[in-house]
Amino acid sequence: DAGVTQSPTHLIKTRGQQVTLRCSPKSGHDTVSWYQQALGQGPQFIFQYYEEEERQRGNFPDRFSGHQFPNYSSELNVNALLLGDSALYLCASSLLGGKEKLFFGSGTQLSVL
Amino acid sequence: GIQVEQSPPDLILQEGANSTLRCNFSDSVNNLQWFHQNPWGQLINLFYIPSGTKQNGRLSATTVATERYSLLYISSSQTTDSGVYFCAGDSGGGADGLTFGKGTHLIIQP
Repeated sequence: DAGVTQSPTHLIKTRGQQVTLRCSPKSGHDTVSWYQQALGQGPQFIFQYYEEEERQRGNFPDRFSGHQFPNYSSELNVNALLLGDSALYLCASSLLGGKEKLFFGSGTQLSVL
Repeated sequence: GIQVEQSPPDLILQEGANSTLRCNFSDSVNNLQWFHQNPWGQLINLFYIPSGTKQNGRLSATTVATERYSLLYISSSQTTDSGVYFCAGDSGGGADGLTFGKGTHLIIQP
C-alpha cells in the first residue's frame, strides 16, 4: 500500500520563474492538502482540495494555485517565485474532506536563487 | 485562527529516560494530531486524538479538550526518537487546515 508520494524531491529555481509540484495521495484517500514549512518552523497550511475543488485556503497569495485531478492526485503551482518561497513543500492526504488522520509525503525541497 | 503553543521548545535526554511534551491551544480545537518529524524531514502521524487517551507502544497521548491542552508521553527513549514533535489542530470542520505549533526539538543521547 503506497503512502503519499511527492515529486520532485528537490528543485532549484531562480526568482521570477514558475514551479509545479506533484502529489499522489495514499491509496483510498480523497482529500489533498498542501503545506509550506520554512526552516525551523512548523508547517503552514496553503490550501486543501476535495472533489477537485479548493475548499479552503490559508494566508497565501494568489501566486500559489493548485489543482486536483479525478484520480485524486494534485499539483501545486507557484508563479513569480520569490526568495522567500524557498521552503519544504509538504503534501498530505486524508479521508472525508480532512476530518480524519493526516498522512504526509516526504516533501519537495524548493530553493529559489 | 487558533494559536498553538508547545513546550518545552528543546529537550535533551539520555537513552532510557521518559519525557512529557505539552501542547496548549488558544481555543477549542478539532482533529488534534501529534506528528514526529525525523531528521530527514519526514512527518509521521503518531496520534489522532481529539479527546481522551491513546497508547501505541512506548508512546501515549492524552487530550483534555475542555481545558484545551494535549500531552505526549515518551517512555524508555531511544536514539531513534530524536527529531521534532509537532501538535496540530483546526478550529473548523476539517477544511480549515491544521495549525501547527513550533514544535519540540528532542535529542536522545546514547
